[in-house]
Amino acid sequence: EAQVTQNPRYLITVTGKKLTVTCSQNMNHEYMSWYRQDPGLGLRQIYYSMNVEVTDKGDVPEGYKVSRKEKRNFPLILESPSPNQTSLYFCASSLSGASASYNEQFFGPGTRLTVL
Amino acid sequence: EDKVVQSPLSLVVHEGDTVTLNCSYEVTNFRSLLWYKQEKKAPTFLFMLTSSGIEKKSGRLSSILDKKELFSILNITATQTGDSAVYLCGVPHSQGGSEKLVFGKGTKLTVNP
Repeated sequence: EAQVTQNPRYLITVTGKKLTVTCSQNMNHEYMSWYRQDPGLGLRQIYYSMNVEVTDKGDVPEGYKVSRKEKRNFPLILESPSPNQTSLYFCASSLSGASASYNEQFFGPGTRLTVL
Repeated sequence: EDKVVQSPLSLVVHEGDTVTLNCSYEVTNFRSLLWYKQEKKAPTFLFMLTSSGIEKKSGRLSSILDKKELFSILNITATQTGDSAVYLCGVPHSQGGSEKLVFGKGTKLTVNP
């Protein structure tokens, strides 16, 4: 089944404790992206990757890191989480982002993160 | 600065009503506009629009793009309680081979029986 998976789905942690949220897709998609969703603010893009070893900042990259060593995986790293990073996080992928017309993005199920 | 503005932010209707959701945008190097439906989980894709004046249709949902006036509308006819969701509009911003994706804040639609 074609899908985007994220782990963990729920996470409660404490300020300053490094964490990683994994994201994997099995559709051979080039483009992958991370979003956070907060009430009243909608979906905001954190980082995206056009392909392996190519990553770029979205609108809210502060406090986050990503890497794209393999095509299928795009982990989101919070080196020192803070309470303002409490949010619902979505990973998404699409066939290609750099084309004449933008491709449909497939979203993962979401990770609800609480930082105390 | 690129921006995508959706209106209204919230809407409550009765089953059977027709609704129109709006999305206006200011994005450089416009290529397409995307509509998503989000229930209590991940967004799911509805439409991608690239050309003005061409209506995309799926059942009771339809959408159209106006590239001159920089907006799109999403219409839902004969609404059902299952249409209750947040509807998101997203526009890619292309620059120098990179593509960010900017979303509006969404329209929360509630359909009452």
